[in-house]
Amino acid sequence: DAGITQSPRHKVTETGTPVTLRCHQTENHRYMYWYRQDPGHGLRLIHYSYGVKDTDKGEVSDGYSVSRSKTEDFLLTLESATSSQTSVYFCAISESGGNQPQHFGDGTRLSIL
Amino acid sequence: GENVEQHPSTLSVQEGDSAVIKCTYSDSASNYFPWYKQELGKGPQLIIDIRSNVGEKKDQRIAVTLNKTAKHFSLHITETQPEDSAVYFCAASMGTGFQKLVFGTGTRLLVSP
Repeated sequence: DAGITQSPRHKVTETGTPVTLRCHQTENHRYMYWYRQDPGHGLRLIHYSYGVKDTDKGEVSDGYSVSRSKTEDFLLTLESATSSQTSVYFCAISESGGNQPQHFGDGTRLSIL
Repeated sequence: GENVEQHPSTLSVQEGDSAVIKCTYSDSASNYFPWYKQELGKGPQLIIDIRSNVGEKKDQRIAVTLNKTAKHFSLHITETQPEDSAVYFCAASMGTGFQKLVFGTGTRLLVSP
């Protein structure tokens, strides 16, 4: 299995609070991705990174920000969580661009009450 | 728009039967088509992928076929086993510049003994 660790695995928080999810990889892959998974929608890309300090938006980026200060860590932040951001969040990595094999972590289940 | 349609949403088969899941994509420039298997509480696991210069690829009991003209691709699982029960996702690479993966909405496969 690809060396991807997501933390926390579960979190319950209240509307309006900030939340940060962490993805840590041991594969030294250049690309990292954050997806959210919701029933009926499959996986949707939130943000991705193509190197340290290099990030860009995906299709559902509103309300989310990301940071990548080291190759191995990619953080997803919800500045002020809303109930619509209740979801399962997955991190993925790939050696090169988006049309290359991506490998996923086991996800973070986030509930916003 | 960029989308991938996946059918059926649920599929029930008897152990030993074959299962087929179909996807269509919108972008004729798509060139990479992975399939993922997701078990309960886990992240998606890459099981097979195909590129646009290949029409078919096999790996033991699983195979993927691609019809670029019709813009559809399919996953075939032969001699199904109960451990094949999971949710399966197709995806296609899309976009100008950076190609991202766009996922189908998933197929829940249930293999009964």
